[in-house]
Amino acid sequence: DIQMTQSPSSLSASVGDRVTITCRASQGIGNDLGWYQQKPGEAPKSLISAVSTPQRGVPSRFSGGGSGTQFTLTISSLQPEDFATYYCLQHNSYPFTFGPGTKVDIK
Amino acid sequence: EVQLVESGGGLVQPGGSLRLSCAASGFTFSDLYMDWLRQAPGKGLEWVGRSRGEANSYTTEYAASVKGRFTISRDGSKNSLYLQMNSLKNEDTAVYYCASSIAIDGVAHIFFSWGQGTLVTVSS
Repeated sequence: DIQMTQSPSSLSASVGDRVTITCRASQGIGNDLGWYQQKPGEAPKSLISAVSTPQRGVPSRFSGGGSGTQFTLTISSLQPEDFATYYCLQHNSYPFTFGPGTKVDIK
Repeated sequence: EVQLVESGGGLVQPGGSLRLSCAASGFTFSDLYMDWLRQAPGKGLEWVGRSRGEANSYTTEYAASVKGRFTISRDGSKNSLYLQMNSLKNEDTAVYYCASSIAIDGVAHIFFSWGQGTLVTVSS
């Protein structure tokens, strides 16, 4: 199975901060990488597909990048509604696997 | 826009069975890849299994933790996806989500839409 790691596991930031979350795969996954946002008590929401393609309606402050085994999710200017947990997912091979999550909370 | 609504969760004893349903609307159901995922209380997300679309004969894949116990099926006439869960264990306790995926212009939009989730509790 492909193992996914994320760093940091949590971070505290202020509104307006630039935030970057890193996701690493245990082997190359091409561009088969997605990012998801989950708020407490809610279902996850897709933010980014194929490393860097935003889902329709996702604010432009969210961007994805990377290649091979290392990927990033960047929030250019953190907004109050962005405080949540973020997960990366590899769908290059079965079983699909998620990273453990990065919790972003208010400083 | 795809809308997904799960149902069928509840309390079941270890060794018991339960069937979850996921009703889809807003898209051609046969074109969609449909997956089940779960999230144990206070934990991260886990992929459970997949039903591919009609073009791939609705074939299925499963996580090792549920293979042989869980079965995914779909009814195109009802635009519904199902998860039959047998031989349930305490560690199957989780919120179960269905999610949809599709490839558009060469881009795989994985889990672009999610249901609200249904809670399954396995306990004596």
